Amino acid sequence: AQSVTQLGSHVSVSEGALVLLRCNYSSSVPPYLFWYVQYPNQGLQLLLKYTSAATLVKGINGFEAEFKKSETSFHLTKPSAHMSDAAEYFCAVNQAGTALIFGKGTTLSVSS
Amino acid sequence: DTEVTQTPKHLVMGMTNKKSLKCEQHMGHRAMYWYKQKAKKPPELMFVYSYEKLSINESVPSRFSPECPNSSLLNLHLHALQPEDSALYLCASSQGRGDSTEAFFGQGTRLTVV
Repeated sequence: AQSVTQLGSHVSVSEGALVLLRCNYSSSVPPYLFWYVQYPNQGLQLLLKYTSAATLVKGINGFEAEFKKSETSFHLTKPSAHMSDAAEYFCAVNQAGTALIFGKGTTLSVSS
Repeated sequence: DTEVTQTPKHLVMGMTNKKSLKCEQHMGHRAMYWYKQKAKKPPELMFVYSYEKLSINESVPSRFSPECPNSSLLNLHLHALQPEDSALYLCASSQGRGDSTEAFFGQGTRLTVV
């Protein structure tokens, strides 16, 4: 079964610093990968998705992610963190065309 | 319209009560999902409906009963719940169940069982 692993349950950065959230996938075939964000007491919002069209994927709110097959990774980055980026971030994979299966999540804290 | 609407937003129920959670989407999506999310945890898949038929039940206790009256609506009927069932219940929809298909999520219903 396909799965994703998020390294680091909590990441803290200063406002204006680089954001790097890590996600590794486990799959024998190239998977379709997604990053979602969840603000407190809210649902999940899609940031971006990888569907094999391009290895560098740009999403909303200045986020992007690069698919690296050699490293089985799909890390999420943002050049300059903003206070409003503080939230929970989930990497996900669509398991065999059934439904999204999520990693454990990473809490991003941004300090001024 | 890219919204998935869930009602109610908050629900407090006793262990002997019967209640229902409702979910609605008007994007023409043919797959709908229920997820359960405990605090500080990822969403866990409960049920999947595809073309209004239940296609996946992730071994969910029978006190949770899903229903899909039509392609736009999804209900979750609750009966005899336990305090440990308290969680955020998320509804989602997608165009289909293809691998590249992203899901759109509602804001969730915060359920507290007392």
